[in-house]
Amino acid sequence: AQSVAQPEDQVNVAEGNPLTVKCTYSVSGNPYLFWYVQYPNRGLQFLLKYITGDNLVKGSYGFEAEFNKSQTSFHLKKPSALVSDSALYFCAFSSGGSQGNLIFGKGTKLSVKP
Amino acid sequence: NAGVMQNPRHLVRRRGQEARLRCSPMKGHSHVYWYRQLPEEGLKFMVYLQKENIIDESGMPKERFSAEFPKEGPSILRIQQVVRGDSAAYFCASSPQTGLRDYGYTFGSGTRLTVV
Repeated sequence: AQSVAQPEDQVNVAEGNPLTVKCTYSVSGNPYLFWYVQYPNRGLQFLLKYITGDNLVKGSYGFEAEFNKSQTSFHLKKPSALVSDSALYFCAFSSGGSQGNLIFGKGTKLSVKP
Repeated sequence: NAGVMQNPRHLVRRRGQEARLRCSPMKGHSHVYWYRQLPEEGLKFMVYLQKENIIDESGMPKERFSAEFPKEGPSILRIQQVVRGDSAAYFCASSPQTGLRDYGYTFGSGTRLTVV
């Protein structure tokens, strides 16, 4: 079955340090991959997506992600973490191309300490 | 642009009652998706609708749940005879005709249903 996996339930980072939130995928064909962020009691906010083209994708709030086909990964990164980045992060893929529903990973809780 | 509007934000129902959740997509968006988020879990797809059509309902429970997106008005997710296990956050997302290629879905703030 096609899926995305987020192997870490929680990631702890000190403010100012680089952060990485991991995502691996098992999707046939050319996947559409996404990262969303959820703040407490809020909906999901779109961060970035990979459809095709350049493997390094830049998104909102200084986040970026690298599509790595050989490692089937799409890790989310930021060079310098902020306390305000603390939230729940979800990796997702589209099950049906441009109009498919999104299949989400279980989420990774990012905690950035001052 | 007001974004995706969901109401109510919080809904409390007794077991056996009906719950109606509303979603108004962003202006210009013709596709609506409903997702459910159980505590400590990711979002699970429920149903995908376009105006007056259900496109994919593969994630909907077979009984008690229904969804519609009429020609006029918001999309409605209806849960009949609610049970405690229905307690969750229900999120609506919308997208334009071009879908995911040009646009990530826009999510509403959700309706938190509590069944007592």
